[in-house]
Amino acid sequence: AQSVTQLGSHVSVSEGALVLLRCNYSSSVPPYLFWYVQYPNQGLQLLLKYTSAATLVKGINGFEAEFKKSETSFHLTKPSAHMSDAAEYFCAVSDRAYNTDKLIFGTGTRLQVFP
Amino acid sequence: KAGVTQTPRYLIKTRGQQVTLSCSPISGHRSVSWYQQTPGQGLQFLFEYFSETQRNKGNFPGRFSGRQFSNSRSEMNVSTLELGDSALYLCASSPTDRVGVNEQFFGPGTRLTVL
Repeated sequence: AQSVTQLGSHVSVSEGALVLLRCNYSSSVPPYLFWYVQYPNQGLQLLLKYTSAATLVKGINGFEAEFKKSETSFHLTKPSAHMSDAAEYFCAVSDRAYNTDKLIFGTGTRLQVFP
Repeated sequence: KAGVTQTPRYLIKTRGQQVTLSCSPISGHRSVSWYQQTPGQGLQFLFEYFSETQRNKGNFPGRFSGRQFSNSRSEMNVSTLELGDSALYLCASSPTDRVGVNEQFFGPGTRLTVL
């Protein structure tokens, strides 16, 4: 069965600093991986996805993630944090079962950005 | 294109009552999924519908049910509400060209409070 683990429920950075949010996956098949962001009182918005093409995936708002099979990781990074990046971030893996779009989410990481 | 809409946005019910939540997917999307989000359990998959058929179901009691109509709109129903059903209920729709790799587009959610 597929699963994802997000290390660190809270991450705090200064504005302009590197953002690194960690995600490790467990999958018996090649995974499809996603990062979503959730702003207060809103639904989830896709930042980027990995579907077995390029291992370095670029997303919206300057975020990117690198798929590392040897480390079973899909960490999310952004070179320079902005105040508007403060939100909750979720890593997810597609169930890959036959004929489903079901996503399995990690527990989330709340990002705080200090001026 | 209009995004995923969910109604109502907020609901307050008492234990033992039932509730119906509604979701209108993005035009042209035929797959609709529902997730429950709570601080304790995080994001959990409820069920998925495609072309009026339940395609996948999560591990929730039978009090939770759903359906999809011919125009792809979906409803979920929770009967005999319990305090633990208080949560944000998120609906997501996705295109159906490649199952499992599709981005899921989330609505803003319905915040259900059970007193």
